[in-house]
Amino acid sequence: DSGVTQTPKHLITATGQRVTLRCSPRSGDLSVYWYQQSLDQGLQFLIQYYNGEERAKGNILERFSAQQFPDLHSELNLSSLELGDSALYFCASSAEVGLSTDTQYFGPGTRLTVL
Amino acid sequence: AQKITQTQPGMFVQEKEAVTLDCTYDTSDPSYGLFWYKQPSSGEMIFLIYQGSYDQQNATEGRYSLNFQKARKSANLVISASQLGDSAMYFCAMREGSDSGSARQLTFGSGTQLTVLP
Repeated sequence: DSGVTQTPKHLITATGQRVTLRCSPRSGDLSVYWYQQSLDQGLQFLIQYYNGEERAKGNILERFSAQQFPDLHSELNLSSLELGDSALYFCASSAEVGLSTDTQYFGPGTRLTVL
Repeated sequence: AQKITQTQPGMFVQEKEAVTLDCTYDTSDPSYGLFWYKQPSSGEMIFLIYQGSYDQQNATEGRYSLNFQKARKSANLVISASQLGDSAMYFCAMREGSDSGSARQLTFGSGTQLTVLP
């Protein structure tokens, strides 16, 4: 158990809908990352938050957005869903203490299926 | 250009044997970290081992060791005494930069599916 929690574990929805994925980082970790894993794109970085502020953006679509709340949990919002958004979405957290040994620990993932 | 290359889509190893999973990387940043993660069929990503670009010695964690050859830009994972439970997808990943204000996202390779045979 990495200490990172993600809900829900599975999500099935229809095209055009909007969903929210939730992540709670490990205790004490200030940084949250979101990654998408799909068969055709592999594992891709979407976005990073650090202590409530957006720090970096990767290959995140404009239909997707995220935020990190004062209690450090994070939510990833996916809207106007398309079939191609079906994927495993991971949240990872790290302490971000400024050392090169900083490790990201991953949650169990949310498997999104868009029908 | 690919930043992380894993050239072995699939590997087989006999139980109790050692196996090496290849990973090469590309970066111009002098400070970087290399990571290996295991993804079993259940889907979770499990951190295995880390190697820093300035580390003088190869990293080891139990049955896992990292064969770090900086000049060749390779960071191969060695699993000793393979077990049936080692059957999984293995990902090599890199994080560039060490400034506290810089982005620290991981770039992943395409993975190697390891199957341990009884």
